[in-house]
Amino acid sequence: SQQGEEDPQALSIQEGENATMNCSYKTSINNLQWYRQNSGRGLVHLILIRSNEREKHSGRLRVTLDTSKKSSSLLITASRAADTASYFCATDLYGNKLVFGAGTILRVKS
Amino acid sequence: DAGVTQSPTHLIKTRGQQVTLRCSPKSGHDTVSWYQQALGQGPQFIFQYYEEEERQRGNFPDRFSGHQFPNYSSELNVNALLLGDSALYLCASSLGGGGYEQYFGPGTRLTVT
Repeated sequence: SQQGEEDPQALSIQEGENATMNCSYKTSINNLQWYRQNSGRGLVHLILIRSNEREKHSGRLRVTLDTSKKSSSLLITASRAADTASYFCATDLYGNKLVFGAGTILRVKS
Repeated sequence: DAGVTQSPTHLIKTRGQQVTLRCSPKSGHDTVSWYQQALGQGPQFIFQYYEEEERQRGNFPDRFSGHQFPNYSSELNVNALLLGDSALYLCASSLGGGGYEQYFGPGTRLTVT
């Protein structure tokens, strides 16, 4: 079974707009990670946020984590057509066993 | 620096057959995890190998087995294939001990007919 749920399931925006994806999970975690997947191929690691962190930035990406609500959000600013992909959150309690959500499909229109 | 590599890229098998998928981890990584991703779903954890032993296992039947070699590369074996085993199989490598990001290979697309 999958740990988390991403919201929305699909998102379509214009190039230059911001995209926000949310993730909820059910159990305690050690860290939460976001991944991108293009066209059903391998996943690319975007960012890792530990349970004692609340916010993390990497380039145009901003991730927040609220462990009291068991939720996280991924913000992509100034989106580009190349950001079109599926985005997954994954939780890690210990030992690098990642539990993934079903993902958000992002389409950025140029 | 080579990333995670997997072979083959695509594979077509018949129900009841057996299949072996291969993975070479990123240089410097000692832990390999395998995931199954059905179409439209997120990846599901199959198992993880560290120091040539299965360290963790997900909710998959014994038909799924694996191996890790002294050079940290790994194999995933699936016996008695079912139609439902059709999926993208992803290998990920990381450092042992947990709490680190995982680096994924491009995957092997398995189709069972």
